[in-house]
Amino acid sequence: DAKTTQPTSMDCAEGRAANLPCNHSTISGNEYVYWYRQIHSQGPQYIIHGLKNNETNEMASLIITEDRKSSTLILPHATLRDTAVYYCIVRVVGYGKLTFGQGTILTVHP
Amino acid sequence: GAGVSQSPRYKVTKRGQDVTLRCDPISSHATLYWYQQALGQGPEFLTYFNYEAQPDKSGLPSDRFSAERPEGSISTLTIQRTEQRDSAMYRCASSLDLSQPQHFGDGTRLSIL
Repeated sequence: DAKTTQPTSMDCAEGRAANLPCNHSTISGNEYVYWYRQIHSQGPQYIIHGLKNNETNEMASLIITEDRKSSTLILPHATLRDTAVYYCIVRVVGYGKLTFGQGTILTVHP
Repeated sequence: GAGVSQSPRYKVTKRGQDVTLRCDPISSHATLYWYQQALGQGPEFLTYFNYEAQPDKSGLPSDRFSAERPEGSISTLTIQRTEQRDSAMYRCASSLDLSQPQHFGDGTRLSIL
């Protein structure tokens, strides 16, 4: 699986958009970009995934650059409950394993 | 069920004992995964099942670790002759199939004294 690089930590004001970057410059054509988050000691929570097109769901938007070497997760209106560790993961299509890195600790403050 | 269910939530045992952890995946989910998570770290893959088949055991740290899913539904993870370094959160996840997102349970916190 391709390696990902994320900032160790980020801050965001409540109500503002949180933009979390991820670098995956060695991504292969058959690898998707997945985002998960983990709030405190809970299990990781799936957020969104994409291959090459931008994706949006009720939780977030995923913007993938045209060369697919980086992506950005956007939480449009961050709340205090979005404070968590966010993991960017690349995963081969049809293969089970998720490889979690260190993630980005996002702190949303009032 | 509504989500992935793991039991017990907490397990404390003495070094050298065997432990078995249980995972009940989301109903109709074909694929089931086991991860180990140390404090302050992201989960690390142990193994996964597609129905009853276990295509990848590459993450199991030693032959003391084994997993089963005999009927393609509930799975167990067994650690024999536990050691203190086995202390961790053990997480189970399931997905509809190999191409779908994984959904995690709340985990079993294992402490080896």
